[in-house]
Amino acid sequence: AQKVTQAQTEISVVEKEDVTLDCVYETRDTTYYLFWYKQPPSGELVFLIRRNSFDEQNEISGRYSWNFQKSTSSFNFTITASQVVDSAVYFCALSADQTGANNLFFGTGTRLTVIP
Amino acid sequence: DTGVSQDPRHKITKRGQNVTFRCDPISEHNRLYWYRQTLGQGPEFLTYFQNEAQLEKSRLLSDRFSAERPKGSFSTLEIQRTEQGDSAMYLCASTLGGETQYFGPGTRLLVL
Repeated sequence: AQKVTQAQTEISVVEKEDVTLDCVYETRDTTYYLFWYKQPPSGELVFLIRRNSFDEQNEISGRYSWNFQKSTSSFNFTITASQVVDSAVYFCALSADQTGANNLFFGTGTRLTVIP
Repeated sequence: DTGVSQDPRHKITKRGQNVTFRCDPISEHNRLYWYRQTLGQGPEFLTYFQNEAQLEKSRLLSDRFSAERPKGSFSTLEIQRTEQGDSAMYLCASTLGGETQYFGPGTRLLVL
């Protein structure tokens, strides 16, 4: 079974602070993909990143960075110098090719509020 | 290249009525997924299509739900005899080859 846990329900930070969103996953598959999506108030899920289980290199994209650690089954997301536009709900998700569907299993999300 | 579109964006209906939602995937994306998201939760998988074939349905998809993807292009999701518990955001996603899924804006359903 696949499971994603995002223990932080809500986080508030002041603009320009750094913030890390935690994600812990469970799967018995050796091949899997991890994702982060952003859901602003409009409701649309915006794709941010995908990592496969064989690539543990951390990634940086502008103010965003991701730390993937298989040893702790974690895939954490850091926003550096947060901005008000970063306010949204962020979802971590997992897909594994058990049945071929590759459907996504989502965590419950972390609501980030950046205070100006 | 346009993204995934969904119609309508909002739907209010009375309990017992039937509703139908439409999803237009990114062109040439062969896989199309439907998810449901309730308040405060992450999206949950409902069903998916590869081209026109519906290959998997989750147990969340009761007999009152039916989905189609004729000709492997757009898809429709119909809910018959709606119940208040069907109130949710219905999200559609598409992908080429089963990798990154790109989502539409969703249809918010409210059943009174």
